[in-house]
Amino acid sequence: DAGITQSPRHKVTETGTPVTLRCHQTENHRYMYWYRQDPGHGLRLIHYSYGVKDTDKGEVSDGYSVSRSKTEDFLLTLESATSSQTSVYFCAIVNDLAADTQYFGPGTRLTVL
Amino acid sequence: GENVEQHPSTLSVQEGDSAVIKCTYSDSASNYFPWYKQELGKGPQLIIDIRSNVGEKKDQRIAVTLNKTAKHFSLHITETQPEDSAVYFCAASIDYGQNFVFGPGTRLSVLP
Repeated sequence: DAGITQSPRHKVTETGTPVTLRCHQTENHRYMYWYRQDPGHGLRLIHYSYGVKDTDKGEVSDGYSVSRSKTEDFLLTLESATSSQTSVYFCAIVNDLAADTQYFGPGTRLTVL
Repeated sequence: GENVEQHPSTLSVQEGDSAVIKCTYSDSASNYFPWYKQELGKGPQLIIDIRSNVGEKKDQRIAVTLNKTAKHFSLHITETQPEDSAVYFCAASIDYGQNFVFGPGTRLSVLP
């Protein structure tokens, strides 16, 4: 899993509450990504980061924000969770040395009631 | 933007048979094509990848072929085993690791 951890691994929350998911890597790679995975859609990019305080939007960024104040941590925030954000969220990194593929964390299952 | 289609969505094979999963992509500028295997409750794991300057790549029982003209690439698993049962995702990228577009996935079941 390329030294990637995600927390929490499971979370149940209510509509309208803020939620923050954390991705932590131990190898100081520059590029980090947040995806959501839903049946029939594969993995869709939410936001990504190419360095500390450098982030950009992906395909499905509405309703999400991110922050990266340290190389090792990439936070995904749902400002006001909605039921449509119920999903499994994966963090990924690109190995700076290999510079080709992405390695994924174990995922966070989020349920918004 | 890039669009990746993947077929079939589900595939059942007998143990020992071969399995083939196909993906098509829309952007001719795509130059990197990884395949991931995802087991239940885990994150996707890279199993094989291919770059646009190569037509085929093999790793033991797994192979990937790329047809740039037709814009499709395929995953071939030979001598399937029950532990090959999982969801497989293809992806395409125009800048190697930076921006992937994933296919919707194929659920492979290997029947003993």
